Amino acid sequence: QVQLQESGPGLVKPSETLSLTCVVSGDSISNYYWNWIRQPPGKGLEWIGYVSYSGSRIYNPSLMSRLTISIDTSTNKFSLNLSSVTAADTAVYYCARVSFSGGWYPFDYWGQGMLVTVSS
Amino acid sequence: DIVMTQSPDSLAVSLGERATIYCKSSQNVLYSANSKNYLAWYQQRPRQPPKLLVYWASTRESGVPDRFSGSGSGTNFTLTISSLQAEDVAVYYCQQYFNTPFTFGPGTKVDIK
Repeated sequence: QVQLQESGPGLVKPSETLSLTCVVSGDSISNYYWNWIRQPPGKGLEWIGYVSYSGSRIYNPSLMSRLTISIDTSTNKFSLNLSSVTAADTAVYYCARVSFSGGWYPFDYWGQGMLVTVSS
Repeated sequence: DIVMTQSPDSLAVSLGERATIYCKSSQNVLYSANSKNYLAWYQQRPRQPPKLLVYWASTRESGVPDRFSGSGSGTNFTLTISSLQAEDVAVYYCQQYFNTPFTFGPGTKVDIK
């Protein structure tokens, strides 16, 4: 059973960097693409970006200038860093898995989500 | 970017009755080479992460009750709950995975009447 678990600070000050980690268990991190998705309170889902098992990355253009997603295959973890945060970055942050084989597949496994609040 | 829209924003249906949710993509998400629609539906119950229900527009994920069905092609899609159960109260999202950035619809909230 594949499981994903987000961790990191639940409170970040404005202008600082939001940093989260997702630990993958129950399967190897290899051969998949590892995503971050966020959901502001009471709102819909926004895809943030992914990192592949080989380290390639695609980011949502709306966040690209502030975003870094990295992976550590030796520890089955991947991470999100979002710089210069504002209150608009307050959201539940989810990590999720997708596959690619000749084309994309949907998000089949999700973490439980972590609420990150941006406030002084 | 492919923009996803959904209708209605919310609906209330009696237990045992049918619920129908519509999703429209701003671009075709049907890949002609394999005749697959890169469209998924997710269910999000309160305080839970989204759960994959349907992919390729009409293929139910393993373990999903057969009262959930997806249909449509190209740019217009439908999720139908044939007989609403109490545990189906949730927000339902469509999502295109045809290309990046992956995008979601705004969601449709389903409640019991």
